[in-house]
Amino acid sequence: GESVGLHLPTLSVQEGDNSIINCAYSNSASDYFIWYKQESGKGPQFIIDIRSNMDKRQGQRVTVLLNKTVKHLSLQIAATQPGDSAVYFCAEKGQAGTALIFGKGTTLSVSS
Amino acid sequence: NAGVMQNPRHLVRRRGQEARLRCSPMKGHSHVYWYRQLPEEGLKFMVYLQKENIIDESGMPKERFSAEFPKEGPSILRIQQVVRGDSAAYFCASSSLAGEQETQYFGPGTRLLVL
Repeated sequence: GESVGLHLPTLSVQEGDNSIINCAYSNSASDYFIWYKQESGKGPQFIIDIRSNMDKRQGQRVTVLLNKTVKHLSLQIAATQPGDSAVYFCAEKGQAGTALIFGKGTTLSVSS
Repeated sequence: NAGVMQNPRHLVRRRGQEARLRCSPMKGHSHVYWYRQLPEEGLKFMVYLQKENIIDESGMPKERFSAEFPKEGPSILRIQQVVRGDSAAYFCASSSLAGEQETQYFGPGTRLLVL
């Protein structure tokens, strides 16, 4: 079956550190992956996406890495700030071709 | 350019009542998706609509739930005869393109509480 999961439910870091949030997916046919950030009481906010024909993609302070061999996805946040505190979800494009399949999320806590 | 709009933001209903959740997609977007999120969990897909058409409703319960996206006006997710298990956050997302790799942008959600 299809599933998207995250290795750790919580991650605590100090301000200024680099954060790495991991995600494992099970469907080798998935070809599109997205990271969303969700703050308390708000909807998911798009952070960055990556296609299956890429291994790495960089944005502003964020990098997504895709390892198709082991079906692993990670989000790296450089110089983590208190405003980065939120729940982070990875999502994959399901076999239906339209629905996103979400994992359960990792709660990132950044302390000053 | 306004983002995805949802209303109401909070909705309280008693068991047996009807709940209507509205979603206005981003300007220029004609594809709408509804997701449900239970506490401490990720989002679960419910239904995908284009204007006047339901494209994929594989994630929506067969009974009591319905969705529409009329030619004019917002998309509506309707829950009839609500039960306590319907309490959740309901999110709408929109995109400009269908196909393999469109980006879905989410609204702020409607938090439904069934008493």
